[in-house]
Amino acid sequence: QKEVEQDPGPLSVPEGAIVSLNCTYSNSAFQYFMWYRQYSRKGPELLMYTYSSGNKEDGRFTAQVDKSSKYISLFIRDSQPSDSATYLCAMKGGGSYIPTFGRGTSLIVHP
Amino acid sequence: DAGVTQSPTHLIKTRGQQVTLRCSPKSGHDTVSWYQQALGQGPQFIFQYYEEEERQRGNFPDRFSGHQFPNYSSELNVNALLLGDSALYLCASSLATGTGTPKTQYFGPGTRLLVL
Repeated sequence: QKEVEQDPGPLSVPEGAIVSLNCTYSNSAFQYFMWYRQYSRKGPELLMYTYSSGNKEDGRFTAQVDKSSKYISLFIRDSQPSDSATYLCAMKGGGSYIPTFGRGTSLIVHP
Repeated sequence: DAGVTQSPTHLIKTRGQQVTLRCSPKSGHDTVSWYQQALGQGPQFIFQYYEEEERQRGNFPDRFSGHQFPNYSSELNVNALLLGDSALYLCASSLATGTGTPKTQYFGPGTRLLVL
């Protein structure tokens, strides 16, 4: 079993839809939970991160962490074609710079 | 302020050859990490350099080696290339005295390596 599991998709939605992206993990030591966006042929860009459990909102994006279930989610409201990219979840312990990544979910938002 | 830069952007090698990839960290950063991202997979940590020494290493064979220079730039060397080494190689920089929050690590655009 991998430490971080993420459905690769692709996930195809119409413009304006609410998108839900999810990851599960097995390592209880993870404290930081991150979401990266990666456009084709580019490096990952950090979208947002959450420390420990709870929710965090940033514009159209909301990140949720449920440590009891070892489950994290990213919601995108009013999705736009420009949101089409691969979304990578990643996690790390508090004292480490080294994140463990999921394999990424490919999101396609069509007009 | 230039972010993380990597060169070359892409290259093609044949099996058995050797390759050197280069990374310049974001201004003010002193730590460089290298990742391998195979097609359809998430980035896998190769190693991290700080003060010109390898500080942490992931599960990669000795064919993968690196170097960090006094100006904090870094090289990744891969010897005896295999077909399975074809991937996007990402460099990320950070500040050793930073808070350790994810915001302090920035990724470059990557070098795409194809081994034939």
